[in-house]
Amino acid sequence: DGGITQSPKYLFRKEGQNVTLSCEQNLNHDAMYWYRQDPGQGLRLIYYSQIVNDFQKGDIAEGYSVSREKKESFPLTVTSAQKNPTAFYLCASSSYGTGGGQPQHFGDGTRLSIL
Amino acid sequence: DQQVKQNSPSLSVQEGRISILNCDYTNSMFDYFLWYKKYPAEGPTFLISISSIKDKNEDGRFTVFLNKSAKHLSLHIVPSQPGDSAVYFCAASESNFGNEKLTFGTGTRLTIIP
Repeated sequence: DGGITQSPKYLFRKEGQNVTLSCEQNLNHDAMYWYRQDPGQGLRLIYYSQIVNDFQKGDIAEGYSVSREKKESFPLTVTSAQKNPTAFYLCASSSYGTGGGQPQHFGDGTRLSIL
Repeated sequence: DQQVKQNSPSLSVQEGRISILNCDYTNSMFDYFLWYKKYPAEGPTFLISISSIKDKNEDGRFTVFLNKSAKHLSLHIVPSQPGDSAVYFCAASESNFGNEKLTFGTGTRLTIIP
């Protein structure tokens, strides 16, 4: 059945290391998104991509990078430049081109912790 | 600058009664609004949405009301059930073609008391 798969569910990183979070969708959605959730805060947009080979920075892109080589995949790299990477990361996808208000469908998230 | 605000971090309601969750926004360009429900360690699940051309949208036990002049929307859950205990996020977007970004509030934790 269709959905969004994020892996791994838990991830640990040492100081100074880059780490890549995986996000795959089989909903045939054009748009994909990465959010970060911290305790007591809402979801903050890191990066989004509306078509393959194109992506835009969200509100908190510093210290992160993404790629969109395939429609189904939108991996997020947390670089060593991200000073406070411990958080819950959520990937989402939605239809595109039909105007705003399209529900975004979310994966179950990856919790990243610093060792 | 928080463009979507949920001023109540938590809410407790007796089972069977009505739950009312509130959301305010400041950006007058927002014209689509959505509510999501989130359990711990899971991704948010879409519940219900409303366009600014409407003032009410209903789906089963869930009703969303929109007051454009007050820049306020609310989610009503009737009757409340134990499985409704979760964090609820309000989100908003502009309907300009190509702008699919959602702006989320900080969430309200709803606890249904049996």
